[in-house]
Amino acid sequence: ELKVEQNPLFLSMQEGKNYTIYCNYSTTSDRLYWYRQDPGKSLESLFVLLSNGAVKQEGRLMASLDTKARLSTLHITAAVHDLSATYFCAVDNSGSARQLTFGSGTQLTVLP
Amino acid sequence: GAVVSQHPSWVICKSGTSVKIECRSLDFQATTMFWYRQFPKQSLMLMATSNEGSKATYEQGVEKDKFLINHASLTLSTLTVTSAHPEDSSFYICSARGDRGGGYEQYFGPGTRLTVT
Repeated sequence: ELKVEQNPLFLSMQEGKNYTIYCNYSTTSDRLYWYRQDPGKSLESLFVLLSNGAVKQEGRLMASLDTKARLSTLHITAAVHDLSATYFCAVDNSGSARQLTFGSGTQLTVLP
Repeated sequence: GAVVSQHPSWVICKSGTSVKIECRSLDFQATTMFWYRQFPKQSLMLMATSNEGSKATYEQGVEKDKFLINHASLTLSTLTVTSAHPEDSSFYICSARGDRGGGYEQYFGPGTRLTVT
C-alpha cells in the first residue's frame, strides 16, 4: 500500500525567508503532483513531476523529484504573504487506474 | 487548464434525505473520474474511482450502497449520498482524467460542501 508522508504539517515563516517542504513516499512511482489549497476552496495544480531528477519552477516555488530516494521537495524562496495556503503532494500509485494518494498537507502561514 | 465543474457548490439537507452531486468535465472527455472526501483540516481521501459505462470501484471502508456513483457519459459523473447523516457532512471533490494533458493528469472540480442537519 502506498503511503505518502509530508512534513512539516505546519509551517510559520517570516516574509522574505526560504523554506522547504518534504514529501516522502513508500513505493515506486514515476509521477508526483503538488497542489495548493486555499481555505474553503478546491485544489489548484502547481507542479507535475514525471521523471527522476525533474525540477520545475514557478515564481517563488520550485519542486523537484528524486524517484530513487522516493522524495520530492517544494522549496519556497523569499516567501510572501500570498503564499499562505495548504500545500499537498500526491503520488500516482502506478496502478491501472492511476489513483493518487495524498500527503497530509502542509499548512503554510507567511507572517509579515 | 481543463475545466471541471461541480453542482451544487454547497448544499444543506436534513438527516435521512438523499443528495446528488454532479461532476462535469466541460472541455474534454473524462474516461475516469474520481470522488474524494475532505474533512476539516484533513487531507483528501479517495472514495471511489469510476470509468465511463462501468461500475465504480470503491475504496476500503466506503459504503457503496450509501454513496452511489454513476458515470453515465464521458462528461458526467454523479455521487448520490443516500440517507445522509450528520457524519456525512464534508467537502466532496471530484476529479477527472481523460483525453487532455497527456492523459495522466487529474483535473479537480471546485468541490461541494455538504452539511447534514
